[in-house]
Amino acid sequence: DTGVSQNPRHKITKRGQNVTFRCDPISEHNRLYWYRQTLGQGPEFLTYFQNEAQLEKSRLLSDRFSAERPKGSFSTLEIQRTEQGDSAMYLCASSLVGSGEGRKREYAQFFGPGTRLTVL
Amino acid sequence: KNEVEQSPQNLTAQEGEFITINCSYSVGISALHWLQQHPGGGIVSLFMLSSGKKKHGRLIATINIQEKHSSLHITASHPRDSAVYICGRWWGTSYGKLTFGQGTILTVHP
Repeated sequence: DTGVSQNPRHKITKRGQNVTFRCDPISEHNRLYWYRQTLGQGPEFLTYFQNEAQLEKSRLLSDRFSAERPKGSFSTLEIQRTEQGDSAMYLCASSLVGSGEGRKREYAQFFGPGTRLTVL
Repeated sequence: KNEVEQSPQNLTAQEGEFITINCSYSVGISALHWLQQHPGGGIVSLFMLSSGKKKHGRLIATINIQEKHSSLHITASHPRDSAVYICGRWWGTSYGKLTFGQGTILTVHP
């Protein structure tokens, strides 16, 4: 257990439905990342947040995808009008970036267990 | 061409063998991550390194910045080491994302 949790762990949905996933990062981590992984491939970057600000979005993130981190803590990833090609493992990771008095600089990303999405 | 390439894609070994997994990258890095992913999806971060060598138990990671190459070694391999090993390139503090290789599937037989 890395301390990053994701819910749900599995989601089966029908094409055209909307789904939302949640990620709870390690509490003191200021960065949160979303990745997508399909079978036999390494994870692909989707987007990341520094506190509540979404700083970068991949071109993989179509208009049907939206991510939020409203209070700089947990994050949600929503997929609207799901397609069969959205079937994948959605991974969340968090890290602590930057240093300050008493704060440890830590760039390693800690991954959650993932949410496996199956679109029928 | 992917920014990060791993070899081999599949590796089978007998218990006790010394294992090497290679990772090459085509652009600059600030650090390279090695991750382990077991069946079922959970990813564990093994190493993050930007120079030299790091060791943790039976795992050793090395990196050669000039040659843009990193290796992950497993000594005295064990069936519980069977997993997918993934290297990821990380660049700078302004850019948070990791760019991953496709992974190496390791199977260690007893």
